[in-house]
Amino acid sequence: QVQLQESGPGLVKPSETLSLTCTVSGASIRGYYWSWIRQPPGKGPEWIAYIFDSGNTHYNPSFKSRVTISIDMSKNQFSLRVKSVTAADTAVYYCARGYGPGYASAGYWGQGTLVTVSS
Amino acid sequence: EVVLTQSPDTLSLSPGERATLSCRASQSVSSSYLAWHQQKPGQAPRLLIYGGSGRATGIPDRFSGSGSGTDFTLTISRLEPEDYGVYFCHQYGYSPYTFGQGTKVEIK
Repeated sequence: QVQLQESGPGLVKPSETLSLTCTVSGASIRGYYWSWIRQPPGKGPEWIAYIFDSGNTHYNPSFKSRVTISIDMSKNQFSLRVKSVTAADTAVYYCARGYGPGYASAGYWGQGTLVTVSS
Repeated sequence: EVVLTQSPDTLSLSPGERATLSCRASQSVSSSYLAWHQQKPGQAPRLLIYGGSGRATGIPDRFSGSGSGTDFTLTISRLEPEDYGVYFCHQYGYSPYTFGQGTKVEIK
């Protein structure tokens, strides 16, 4: 059974860059879609981006060029960077894997990590 | 962007009753790319239904998904106490992928 674990700082200052890592265990990182999704307090989830293997990425246009998703197959990890954060980026951030090969959204979720943007 | 609107906002039902949750899309969505997730307080969402009507691994058969075009439904045939939580519909056919605002199911 695939397991995903997010890691990163719980507190980030406005205008700084948020960096999160998702460590995958119980399955290879190859051959699946890997996503980042966030959920502001009291709201529904918001899809941010996905990456497939090492090259195919797709982003939510609402984040414009602020976000970058990347993958490190040697470590079975993938990451998210969000530049120039504001209070509106405060949310629980989840990493997720597609339910099966070719499933480009969330099938299995990590437990999530709360990120607060505040000075 | 495809906007998903769920109704009702809150559903309060007794164990054993049937729950019907609605999800309406702002434009036609292929049922092949419509999912439902359940989220309990303090937990990550859990995939229940994918491809409109496929049950994810380990999901009891009291959960079923249906619909097409712009109208989709999640039905819980006989509510169990552990079915409380918030249910989100999710479309992953058009970018950006989007989620509904959620329907909260309360157990009476």
